[in-house]
Amino acid sequence: DSGVTQTPKHLITATGQRVTLRCSPRSGDLSVYWYQQSLDQGLQFLIQYYNGEERAKGNILERFSAQQFPDLHSELNLSSLELGDSALYFCASSVAWTGAVEQFFGPGTRLTVL
Amino acid sequence: SQQGEEDPQALSIQEGENATMNCSYKTSINNLQWYRQNSGRGLVHLILIRSNEREKHSGRLRVTLDTSKKSSSLLITASRAADTASYFCATDAWGAQKLVFGQGTRLTINP
Repeated sequence: DSGVTQTPKHLITATGQRVTLRCSPRSGDLSVYWYQQSLDQGLQFLIQYYNGEERAKGNILERFSAQQFPDLHSELNLSSLELGDSALYFCASSVAWTGAVEQFFGPGTRLTVL
Repeated sequence: SQQGEEDPQALSIQEGENATMNCSYKTSINNLQWYRQNSGRGLVHLILIRSNEREKHSGRLRVTLDTSKKSSSLLITASRAADTASYFCATDAWGAQKLVFGQGTRLTINP
């Protein structure tokens, strides 16, 4: 158990809908990362927050948005969903925001868009 | 595009044998990390090697880094069935402020 929690574990929805994925980082970790993993694209970095502020952006679509709240939990919002958005979405956390520290991954949310 | 490229994409060996996976990357890095992922689960950190280090050990794991060749290797000695997983390298490129993961090597240990 990494100490990172993600809800829900599974999500099935229809095209055009909007969903929110939630992540609680390990106790003491200030940095939160979101990743998308699909068979064809591999593990793609989406976005990173550190202590409530956006630190780095990756291949995140404009239909996706995220935020980190004062209690450090984070939410990833996916809107106008398409079939291609079906994937595993991982949240990870770390103490700092640099690449010099290990990231602790949550169990993921499996999103299926029908 | 992926910064790290693992090789091979898939590897199948007998239990007890050694497994070697390679990772190549394109730009200068600060650090390189290796992670393991069991099927459908979250990634687990294995080891971090800094750009000024050449080799690092952790239990049955040995990681090497050759910055002149922009490559790293992960060696798992005396493999066990429980080592069956996908292995990813992740690089922290200069100025990027993020980790970029490769496509992974799928390792299967046959009993």
